[in-house]
Amino acid sequence: DVVMTQSPLSLPVTLGQPASISCKSSQSLVYYDGKTYVNWFQQRPGQPPRRLIYKVSNRDSGVPDRFSGSGSGTNFTLKISRVEAEDVGVYYCMQGTYWPRTFGQGTKVEIK
Amino acid sequence: EVHMVESGGALVQPGGSLRLSCSVSGFTFSSFWMSWVRQAPGKGLEWLTNIKQDGSAKNYVEFVRGRFTISRDNANDSLYLDMISLRAEDTAMYYCARESTGDLDLRGQGTLVTVSS
Repeated sequence: DVVMTQSPLSLPVTLGQPASISCKSSQSLVYYDGKTYVNWFQQRPGQPPRRLIYKVSNRDSGVPDRFSGSGSGTNFTLKISRVEAEDVGVYYCMQGTYWPRTFGQGTKVEIK
Repeated sequence: EVHMVESGGALVQPGGSLRLSCSVSGFTFSSFWMSWVRQAPGKGLEWLTNIKQDGSAKNYVEFVRGRFTISRDNANDSLYLDMISLRAEDTAMYYCARESTGDLDLRGQGTLVTVSS
């Protein structure tokens, strides 16, 4: 199975400052169709997870543009340009290139 | 708008069985692969299984293979997960998700399964 390794696992950030979460996969996530299937999910406290980003860098409808995804091959990043209070929660990366789909361990974002 | 509503979660004894359901609306159910994902209390997300549009292909993560069975009813826009031989470690919130070639879309609130005597 593909292992998705996130870092850091805990990320204290100051309101208004940027934040960055790394996700590394144990093998290349380029599918035979040439696309790369990496999703990012946000889970606010007490809420179900919701997807923010699909195919590495595409934002879902309604997701603020302060969220951005990037990367290729085995290295991927979720960035929040200016953290707001509502961004507190746990963020997960997921690969959808191989079966079984696998998630990272999660990164907890909290306000300093 | 896309909606997914999971149901069927309950308290069940170890070794017991349960059927989870997911009712969807807002999209053409029969056009998508569908998945089940779970989250144990205080833990991360785990993908469990998925099923092709017409039900002709299914994939399972190794630790549920033989105990969990995914199925679907396209006429009623419904997805199911039959679980047998349940263990304490199966205690989790279970979510259904829509797949679009490797991209997973979770929209529901989940249904809670508790395995305990």
